[in-house]
Order: sequence, then structure tokens, then C-alpha cells
Amino acid sequence: GAGVSQSPSNKVTEKGKDVELRCDPISGHTALYWYRQSLGQGLEFLIYFQGNSAPDKSGLPSDRFSAERTGGSVSTLTIQRTQQEDSAVYLCASSLGSGDNSPLHFGNGTRLTVT
Amino acid sequence: DAKTTQPPSMDCAEGRAANLPCNHSTISGNEYVYWYRQIHSQGPQYIIHGLKNNETNEMASLIITEDRKSSTLILPHATLRDTAVYYCIVRVINAGNMLTFGGGTRLMVKP
Repeated sequence: GAGVSQSPSNKVTEKGKDVELRCDPISGHTALYWYRQSLGQGLEFLIYFQGNSAPDKSGLPSDRFSAERTGGSVSTLTIQRTQQEDSAVYLCASSLGSGDNSPLHFGNGTRLTVT
Repeated sequence: DAKTTQPPSMDCAEGRAANLPCNHSTISGNEYVYWYRQIHSQGPQYIIHGLKNNETNEMASLIITEDRKSSTLILPHATLRDTAVYYCIVRVINAGNMLTFGGGTRLMVKP
């Protein structure tokens, strides 16, 4: 079966532009997570979706960042008015659920470069 | 979630066992130990997890001390492809939330 799929794999954008990053989780996984990883740094949690519950947005760094998950499957992370410090690899992960201890499975990320 | 401490880097000879330690002295009874690794330019890959018993799968073995304050990930026959950053993470049972990644151990497998 397919793993977590993210697109695009690379994105270069100019400062001030908006970008959308897409994540297709593993089929049947109800939990979806977004992380980002700046160059040489660890993973930073951004947002988490579980089923139809309100998402946990506690990791979003500013109001320029938002995410949605349509139909409990595909998710889009949107960054408005991008800044150079937004340059990072944005990673998506999914898991079977949140009420168990099923592991997170990660995609290979979208590398975002803001010029 | 409890904090974990790992050595920043380790070397291992190809074909030998790689033993990666992790301290989690403040772990509580409802926290699992998870191990992930990240190979350059890829997303983190799940390896194994456990609560208090030792666990083994096709990738590795996880040894958790009786007091649960530390654990060791064992790659029985390391290959060059095992060169990666290895993360030890503790996660609350049924927490319903994210994993918190620390700095990890950069394992270099050498020929």
C-alpha cells in the first residue's frame, strides 16, 4: 500500500506570496499531523487533526499559517505572505488513530524555499 | 511528555551490532518509548515502540530497563544504509497528540 504522499516535493516562492502544501495520508488513517524541520534542526509540531474533532493548532507559529482537512482525508497547509524564515521542510504524518498507540508514518516532505 | 537524553553521535562498524542508548529518567507509567530514524532528505521512519517489555521486529530490538528509566535500541547487523539520525521519544498512552522530537543520535556506520 502507498505511504503518506506530499506534494510538491520542492517549492520555491518569493517573499510575500502565499503557498499551499498538500498531504495525502495513508488510507484509513484518521489522525493527521503537520511538522516542519528547518535546516539542521529538529522537528517542530505545527497542527494535528483527529477525525471530525477540532484540530490542535497549538504549534502554528503565526496566524499566517493555517491548515484544513477535507473529508477526513487530504490536508492542505497554507502559508500566507511567506517570509524567509518560513523556509524549511514541511512534513506530514498520519496514524490509525489517536486513542491508541499506533505509530506515526511520515511522508518525505515538501522543501519550501522563500527567496 | 517526559524528556529524553541521547548521545549526539555514535559510530559503528558495518556488520556489527549498533546499540543506541536513551535516558528517560522522568518517564511515567503511562508513557511508551518510541524509536524513529531519519535518513538524509527523507521523513522520519518508525522503527519500534514498547511500554515495559523488550520488543523485537524485523528492523531492531528494544531493550527497556526494569525501572523504565532508560532503553537501548539494537540494530543487530548494521549496514551503511542504517546511517541516520535516531530519535528516542516518549509518548503518553492514549494522549491523542503529537510526538515531540529531541536532538537524536547521529549514527554513522563505517565500512
